[in-house]
Amino acid sequence: DTEVTQTPKHLVMGMTNKKSLKCEQHMGHRAMYWYKQKAKKPPELMFVYSYEKLSINESVPSRFSPECPNSSLLNLHLHALQPEDSALYLCASSQLRGDPYNEQFFGPGTRLTVL
Amino acid sequence: DAKTTQPNSMESNEEEPVHLPCNHSTISGTDYIHWYRQLPSQGPEYVIHGLTSNVNNRMASLAIAEDRKSSTLILHRATLRDAAVYYCILRDGDVNDMRFGAGTRLTVKP
Repeated sequence: DTEVTQTPKHLVMGMTNKKSLKCEQHMGHRAMYWYKQKAKKPPELMFVYSYEKLSINESVPSRFSPECPNSSLLNLHLHALQPEDSALYLCASSQLRGDPYNEQFFGPGTRLTVL
Repeated sequence: DAKTTQPNSMESNEEEPVHLPCNHSTISGTDYIHWYRQLPSQGPEYVIHGLTSNVNNRMASLAIAEDRKSSTLILHRATLRDAAVYYCILRDGDVNDMRFGAGTRLTVKP
C-alpha cells in the first residue's frame, strides 16, 4: 500500500469554526509533512514531523495546529481561520527525514474554503 | 538552499518526446536532483531522481550535465495524461525538506 489518504476532500468553514484535517499512511514512514498550495502556485512547506515529533514549523500562524498522534496519522487542527487561508492542503510522507534517496508520497489534498 | 530555474511553460504534441530543462548552477556536491509532477487536481507525484549519472525508469529519463549545473527530464512519448506541472527540486543529504520552485507547466496537444 503506497497511498497517503486525506480526509475530507473538501471543507468549507466559517472564520469562527474549528475543524480538523486528517492524513493517514500505512507505509511505515517515520516522516510526515503538511504543505499549503494556493491556486497556480507551488506547494509551500508548513510542518515536518519526524518520529512523531515536530521538527519544523515554517513560521505558520498559530491558528494552524498540527498533531501527530502516532506514526501513521497526522492531523491539522484549524481555528479562527481567515479567508486568505483558503487553499489546497497537502499531506506527504517519506521513510525518514534527512534522506535524499527516497521519495515523498503525497495525498490528494483537502480543498479548504474559508468564508 | 540551492535554487533551480525552469521555463514557466512548454508545449508538446502527443506521442512526441519532451525535454524539460532545469538549471541549477549553484548545486552542491551532495545535492540530489529530484523531479516531481502534479497532475490537475492531484497531489504531486515522484517522477525520478539522480545524483551524477543519467537515470531511467518506467516513467521518464533524467539526463544530468557533466558539471551538474543543469539537467533534463525526458518523457519519451508524451501522452495527454502527461499534462502537468513538473517540478525540479534539489535535495541534500543534511536536510530532507523539499522546497518547490515554480515548475514548468506542460501542455500536451493531441
